[in-house]
Amino acid sequence: QITLKESGPTLVKPTQTLTLTCTFSGFSLSTSGVGVGWIRQPPGKALEWLALIYWDDDKRYSPSLKSRLTITKDTSKNQVVLTMTNMDPVDTATYYCAYRHWEGFDYWGQGALVTVSS
Amino acid sequence: QSVLTQPPSASGTPGQRVTISCSGSSSNIGSNTVNWYQQLPGTAPKFLIYSNNQRPSGVPDRFSGSRSGTSASLAISGLQSEDEADYYCAAWDDSLNGPVFGGGTKLTVL
Repeated sequence: QITLKESGPTLVKPTQTLTLTCTFSGFSLSTSGVGVGWIRQPPGKALEWLALIYWDDDKRYSPSLKSRLTITKDTSKNQVVLTMTNMDPVDTATYYCAYRHWEGFDYWGQGALVTVSS
Repeated sequence: QSVLTQPPSASGTPGQRVTISCSGSSSNIGSNTVNWYQQLPGTAPKFLIYSNNQRPSGVPDRFSGSRSGTSASLAISGLQSEDEADYYCAAWDDSLNGPVFGGGTKLTVL
C-alpha cells in the first residue's frame, strides 16, 4: 500500500524559505521508473506542477519557479524535501507530494496548506 | 493561465453521459499521453485515466478517455451524484520538460 504525507510549516512570512518534507511508504525511490513530484493548488484554483525527482536523481523543475526551488531525496529515510525561497502571499496554497511511475501521478498525499502572511 | 485548456464547468443529470474536453499543443498532448484526475471537494486528486484511455485498478468503467491530435476528452457515462467533482487533464510537455495540467472542469450533477 503506497502512502505519502506532507509535513512542514502552516504559516511562513514573506521572503522566508519554505521547507516541505514528503514521507512515503510502500515503494522505494531507488526502483527504476519511480519518481516523486510536488504539485500545489492555491485556494479555489487549479493544480500547478512544481518539481519532480526520479530514482536516478534526475530532477525537473517548473521553468517559471526554477530559480526558487530545490528538490532532494533521502532514499534511506523514504523522504523527499522541497525548498522554495523568497515566499510571497501568492504562494499560499495546498502543497501535495505524489508518487509517479513512468507516467502520471498515481498516488497523492493529503496535502499541506501553507499560508504566506506577515 | 494553464498550459492545457479545459472548459471551466460542465453539468448533467443522473444517468446521462457527459464529456470534458482538454486542448493542448504539439509539445504536450500532440506527442505524449494524457492523464485525467478527479478531485472530490476537500480531497486530494485521484488518478482516473492514464495512457489516454487506461483506467487504474478500481476506477469504474463508466469513465473513459480518448485522444486525437492535440486534444483529449474524458467521458463519464451513467452519471452519478458522487461524480460531482473537479476534473483535471495533464500531459508531459517536451518544451517545458515537465508535466502540465489543465485549468480544471467543475462537474455538477443536476
